[in-house]
Amino acid sequence: GQQVMQIPQYQHVQEGEDFTTYCNSSTTLSNIQWYKQRPGGHPVFLIQLVKSGEVKKQKRLTFQFGEAKKNSSLHITATQTTDVGTYFCAGHHRGSTLGRLYFGRGTQLTVWP
Amino acid sequence: DAGITQSPRYKITETGRQVTLMCHQTWSHSYMFWYRQDLGHGLRLIYYSAAADITDKGEVPDGYVVSRSKTENFPLTLESATRSQTSVYFCASSMTDMSSYNSPLHFGNGTRLTVT
Repeated sequence: GQQVMQIPQYQHVQEGEDFTTYCNSSTTLSNIQWYKQRPGGHPVFLIQLVKSGEVKKQKRLTFQFGEAKKNSSLHITATQTTDVGTYFCAGHHRGSTLGRLYFGRGTQLTVWP
Repeated sequence: DAGITQSPRYKITETGRQVTLMCHQTWSHSYMFWYRQDLGHGLRLIYYSAAADITDKGEVPDGYVVSRSKTENFPLTLESATRSQTSVYFCASSMTDMSSYNSPLHFGNGTRLTVT
């Protein structure tokens, strides 16, 4: 079925190190969204990518959408303890019913001070 | 976000009982969603609704029923709860319309359901 695969499942880094999580789809996505969920909280929208090869930045966070619109990545530069949480990608497969947004399993980020 | 509220926050029920989880949003968003979150599975779509009286199945709809008689409410009912339905349930809404890409989802605080 249509899925969005996300790796790694867990990532432990020391404060100041970089972090990257990757999402891949077997089919072309019309758009991809990224969410962050703090421990005990609910997912919160970070950004949406729509165009092939698109790159967007939010301070230390860089989001990329692949040229084929089948993969995406989130890179955090110089992690801080406030970055702790689970990061999810969510993709809408091109041609599927609007509203069907499929989430990856998430990458749980732990940052050691 | 204060605009979407779920109730109850916590619920313990017994196998076989009917349970209804409530979701209310104040933004008049057209789309509403129910997801369940389980360790190792991320967020899985149960049902979604594009507008009042329009609902559709997601990835894992079996054992669940939804209704949307009013735009602002989207209750989720477990007709006969099973232990495998122990999970955290999130309701979400978005202002997506049929002419645009999916708009961001706004999630409620979740309901932690335990079926014993």
